[in-house]
Amino acid sequence: QSVLTQPPSVSGAPGQRVTIPCTGSSSNIGAGYDVHWYQQLPGTAPKVLIHGNKNRPSGVPDRFSGSRSGTSGSLAISGLQAEDEADYYCQSYDSSLSGFVFGTGTKVTVL
Amino acid sequence: EVQLVESGGGLVQPGGSLRLSCAASGFIFSGYWMSWVRQAPGKGLEWVANIKLDGNEKYYVDSVKGRFTISRDNAKNSLYLQMNSLRVEDTAVYYCARDWGIRNYLDYWGQGTLVSVSS
Repeated sequence: QSVLTQPPSVSGAPGQRVTIPCTGSSSNIGAGYDVHWYQQLPGTAPKVLIHGNKNRPSGVPDRFSGSRSGTSGSLAISGLQAEDEADYYCQSYDSSLSGFVFGTGTKVTVL
Repeated sequence: EVQLVESGGGLVQPGGSLRLSCAASGFIFSGYWMSWVRQAPGKGLEWVANIKLDGNEKYYVDSVKGRFTISRDNAKNSLYLQMNSLRVEDTAVYYCARDWGIRNYLDYWGQGTLVSVSS
């Protein structure tokens, strides 16, 4: 059972900007724990896309950006490209569960 | 280069047991917390358990408490997940992952190993 809520899908045309919200609660994001984002291409393991709310690992294009506010986080993809078609998951830590929690996942489709 | 390679998956009957292993290389294994994360077919990610550097602290998701045990052997650079009393709903790809910091994120992942629980 996922503790963080994401929309099941978002879509956009090439070059457009899409955003994926991640809604948590007072025991995870709202408690000050960071939001992180993973990209999972079909048939592969997840890969860190954004860590610490807004930080990109080396090699991740600056088209990807993240933010956090209150009990929510958000991932934005600008200049959408065909290679961005994937599943995206947010993740944080939950103090009441004493463990990591993931979002429900969002499938990004490039029209 | 950091590498995590899982093994031990397979087909098991409900109520059975299985032990997963994760061989780590390319970093100082004893310096990191480690996690197991699973993904049921066509479903999202679920964190299963993690273990402290020396193995003295372990945390589990409620659904596996009392059935799964995470452990590590720092001398062998290996992480394990002993799974007992397996249920159909435990069917998933199980990933080994390295924790970055405490209560933070998972910075490296293995390729996963499939566990199928079915009669």
